[in-house]
Amino acid sequence: KNEVEQSPQNLTAQEGEFITINCSYSVGISALHWLQQHPGGGIVSLFMLSSGKKKHGRLIATINIQEKHSSLHITASHPRDSAVYICAVRRGSQGNLIFGKGTKLSVKP
Amino acid sequence: GAGVSQTPSNKVTEKGKYVELRCDPISGHTALYWYRQSLGQGPEFLIYFQGTGAADDSGLPNDRFFAVRPEGSVSTLKIQRTERGDSAVYLCASSLTSSGGYEQYFGPGTRLTVT
Repeated sequence: KNEVEQSPQNLTAQEGEFITINCSYSVGISALHWLQQHPGGGIVSLFMLSSGKKKHGRLIATINIQEKHSSLHITASHPRDSAVYICAVRRGSQGNLIFGKGTKLSVKP
Repeated sequence: GAGVSQTPSNKVTEKGKYVELRCDPISGHTALYWYRQSLGQGPEFLIYFQGTGAADDSGLPNDRFFAVRPEGSVSTLKIQRTERGDSAVYLCASSLTSSGGYEQYFGPGTRLTVT
């Protein structure tokens, strides 16, 4: 079993829909990251969370440390949101990240 | 300022050859990470440096893989006797330091194809 599991693997939505991507992890962590990867490979950090909730524009990320679960929400989705969204955790004092397999999001106009 | 850069952006090599992949981190970042991403998968950890020393190399798949960061800035990932299974995108990231939960900034990656 992977230490970081994401669901769904693939998601197709219509423009304007509210989107939720889920991430569960099985190890103790010091931080959780949500990353966005567009075709061509570039990875951009969206959020880094250790507790609670963060919001940036139409994106909201939440984390429940007790349940070892995080969600990424996109409100009023747009075709430009189409990308792979990756959840990654930083385990304790280790510097490296452990990644989920990603959720491929496609938003149709 | 400039982000993380990686060269080359693409590398095609024949099975059995030696390759070097280079990463230039953000200036002032003491931590540097190498990850590998196979098609359709999330990145997987290879090695990370804090300063000049390899703090954790547990992700290197075997002794054909080696990485250096001699002056605590630029890093080179070296792969000997390449195999077709080494084909992947090799990603580099840097952060201010490896402790304290600082954000990691990723380079564009080097796509390695072993024929």
